[in-house]
Amino acid sequence: KAGVTQTPRYLIKTRGQQVTLSCSPISGHRSVSWYQQTPGQGLQFLFEYFSETQRNKGNFPGRFSGRQFSNSRSEMNVSTLELGDSALYLCASSGGSVNTGELFFGEGSRLTVL
Amino acid sequence: SQKIEQNSEALNIQEGKTATLTCNYTNYSPAYLQWYRQDPGRGPVFLLLIRENEKEKRKERLKVTFDTTLKQSLFHITASQPADSATYLCAPPPTGTYKYIFGTGTRLKVLA
Repeated sequence: KAGVTQTPRYLIKTRGQQVTLSCSPISGHRSVSWYQQTPGQGLQFLFEYFSETQRNKGNFPGRFSGRQFSNSRSEMNVSTLELGDSALYLCASSGGSVNTGELFFGEGSRLTVL
Repeated sequence: SQKIEQNSEALNIQEGKTATLTCNYTNYSPAYLQWYRQDPGRGPVFLLLIRENEKEKRKERLKVTFDTTLKQSLFHITASQPADSATYLCAPPPTGTYKYIFGTGTRLKVLA
């Protein structure tokens, strides 16, 4: 069974640009959640999607947005990038036929903003 | 507000010793707690889940306890090895509104 796939793994952008990150969940998982991780800050919850609906979002500005498609794949977008957006962005999927509550994480997308 | 706290200071121990990591929670009563391992630059990997009615759970060299009176979970690695060096995160179930929170994690370094 393939794991959670995130693309791209690494990217470099400049301030003011926008970026789109992609996440393909494990087959059969309908929930996808996104996190930002910076040194010393731990995993910060961005938002969670289930069946194409955002069920909750964390305390991030409106520049951070996401969506989920009918095949459960999800994208997140950050517009007008700032230096402080440099981070590891992780997505996780859950909720297969047997939902144990366990989150399955991808390897992350490392974003550097110059 | 609901809070999960882990010792943010790194824990260094000698190979072969038992490592004990702490996870404290405040302002709610999670039905279970999960523990994850995260290596640098990689996504967390699930290790163990312990429910509120379970006092202790084991998996190979790992042991987790859950004390609802102290509002605390302890994560033990016995006979630790340098390969156990990583950051360990604890996490409650998402809140009723599907908001996921994690502890800041404790970085463990096992010295050979």
